[in-house]
Amino acid sequence: EMQVLESGGGLIQPGGSLRLSCEGSGFVFSAFDMYWVRQAPGKGLETVSQISRNFDRQGTRVYYAESVKGRFIISRDDSNNTLFLQMTSLRVDDTAVYFCVKDLVPYSAMSTTPHVWGPGTAVTVSS
Amino acid sequence: QSALTQPASVSGSPRQSITISCSGSTSDIGAYKYVSWFHQLPGKAPRLIIFDVSDRPSGVSDRFSGSKSGNTASLTISGLLPEDEGLYYCCSYGGGRPLLFGGGTAVTVL
Repeated sequence: EMQVLESGGGLIQPGGSLRLSCEGSGFVFSAFDMYWVRQAPGKGLETVSQISRNFDRQGTRVYYAESVKGRFIISRDDSNNTLFLQMTSLRVDDTAVYFCVKDLVPYSAMSTTPHVWGPGTAVTVSS
Repeated sequence: QSALTQPASVSGSPRQSITISCSGSTSDIGAYKYVSWFHQLPGKAPRLIIFDVSDRPSGVSDRFSGSKSGNTASLTISGLLPEDEGLYYCCSYGGGRPLLFGGGTAVTVL
């Protein structure tokens, strides 16, 4: 069974940093594009960041929501089937449940369809 | 404000059909066939129910169907059941941008 499981959330003060991790299992991790999607309390879904699979010579393609550009960095460690989100300069409005999501199609040229979602990890930014 | 526009709520009686719209632009829904829909229950992660506008993952009931016309995608739920309640989100590929989501539609079975 394909699964992803997030960790690393918690309570952090404004301006602080946090690193989220997501471990994938039951699938060839390196073959899939991955996403971080967040949901603020009582709000909808927002793609925070996404990262393509590693293209041999070109590396990965990454995208960020405007609201996190310059503050968050997405990365992946295919040897350990793990996705990361390094979050810095955290703000109160970053408070949300952060979901790690695997794309639907392996070896795809584009990231188009979030498929398998983790249960989420809660990040609370508050003084 | 979400990138894609959905109605806040839709309701219907058991066994009826309802349709949820998702309005985008010529840069996302209108340009690509990569529209997906998700169902979310309270406290749970979203679940993929439609991808590529109208395809269903294995295990998803054929009571769920998707379509697209111009810049607007639609999800239809036929033969409404109590377990269909919850939040529904549309999602679209938008070119060189992060995937776009709608604001979500709360479905109530009367």
